[in-house]
Amino acid sequence: GQQLNQSPQSMFIQEGEDVSMNCTSSSIFNTWLWYKQDPGEGPVLLIALYKAGELTSNGRLTAQFGITRKDSFLNISASIPSDVGIYFCAGADNTDKLIFGTGTRLQVFP
Amino acid sequence: ETGVTQSPTHLIKTRGQQVTLRCSSQSGHNTVSWYQQALGQGPQFIFQYYREEENGRGNFPPRFSGLQFPNYSSELNVNALELDDSALYLCASSLEVSSYEQYFGPGTRLTVT
Repeated sequence: GQQLNQSPQSMFIQEGEDVSMNCTSSSIFNTWLWYKQDPGEGPVLLIALYKAGELTSNGRLTAQFGITRKDSFLNISASIPSDVGIYFCAGADNTDKLIFGTGTRLQVFP
Repeated sequence: ETGVTQSPTHLIKTRGQQVTLRCSSQSGHNTVSWYQQALGQGPQFIFQYYREEENGRGNFPPRFSGLQFPNYSSELNVNALELDDSALYLCASSLEVSSYEQYFGPGTRLTVT
């Protein structure tokens, strides 16, 4: 099935560092969402974006809807150990389904 | 407010068998979507149910079928199980069919041997 490309695939950072990850698609999307998944659990919605160029924050998380509507970015500032997990982007076009990315695995060391 | 719940948590089946997975949507949510997540991959859309009718389907064969009940809970049925059906099955609910903000349950881990 179709999946969006996320990079990097994995990140190993020190506590307190900032993190950036992105998601790209060959198709245009009307909505971008970012989820975090912990082991053995379902994805948890972090941020939803609805408009090209939109920049939205949720605490230490900031996400942007790319101008071309084919990409999105997620930044985490001042990382903490509980930020560990897999981050997925998801895009929605005019159909009713979400298309998920391949995921970015984040590891934070104290 | 009750979140999305799924049952069972884990399941082991033999190739060729049939399985039914269950999902209770978040309180007030009328739309349910099902996803398959293979190990190391992102979730793949199976189908969505709204007002007890299928409302969109991904690239999955007909042996994957579903139901939604008047209380908005849902079932995913898979017939003639194959080894490749081994995955985490996730249910997600949303407030309205027009909302893309989907809230996921913890999933059912299905192993087919």
